[in-house]
Amino acid sequence: GQNIDQPTEMTATEGAIVQINCTYQTSGFNGLFWYQQHAGEAPTFLSYNVLDGLEEKGRFSSFLSRSKGYSYLLLKELQMKDSASYLCAVRATLKAAGNKLTFGGGTRVLVKP
Amino acid sequence: DAGVTQSPTHLIKTRGQQVTLRCSPISGHKSVSWYQQVLGQGPQFIFQYYEKEERGRGNFPDRFSARQFPNYSSELNVNALLLGDSALYLCASSLASGNMAEQFFGPGTRLTVL
Repeated sequence: GQNIDQPTEMTATEGAIVQINCTYQTSGFNGLFWYQQHAGEAPTFLSYNVLDGLEEKGRFSSFLSRSKGYSYLLLKELQMKDSASYLCAVRATLKAAGNKLTFGGGTRVLVKP
Repeated sequence: DAGVTQSPTHLIKTRGQQVTLRCSPISGHKSVSWYQQVLGQGPQFIFQYYEKEERGRGNFPDRFSARQFPNYSSELNVNALLLGDSALYLCASSLASGNMAEQFFGPGTRLTVL
């Protein structure tokens, strides 16, 4: 089975840093994705980790520890437009499930002035 | 280039009815996946199709079915609608079935069952 946990909601101030944690227990692992989803819109791709370590992309960074079943998304220099839901998703092994992604419930981030 | 397109944008149905949702993938993408997203939750995998063959199925009842056409577009059908089927239905396309390809999501179809 697949179980992915992330906090429901976080609040931060404009210009600050927020870290969204994601823990997973899955039968097989072939990559972890982070998506951003604004209310009423489609998820948009932010990052992808398949090996341990930190991936940095501008103001957003994502970290993965496969042995701990743990990832985080780090948002720096927060802007008002970063207010959105952030979805953690795991892909199972290639042969078993094709391209299937299993998503966590999403973390709603509210950025305040 | 156009992204993933879905139609209709919004749909209202009553219990017991049937609905067909449509998806056109990004040009060149051969894999289409369908997800259901209930308000306040993450998307749940329904189906994946690649080269017109089903490659994966999530934990959904047989009322849900899908198919992929030779042009790689796809339809999701839901029969005997229930109130709990009210959700945002997302279609995602990718270049291939099982590699590291990123999935690109369409804007979704908002289905309301009354």
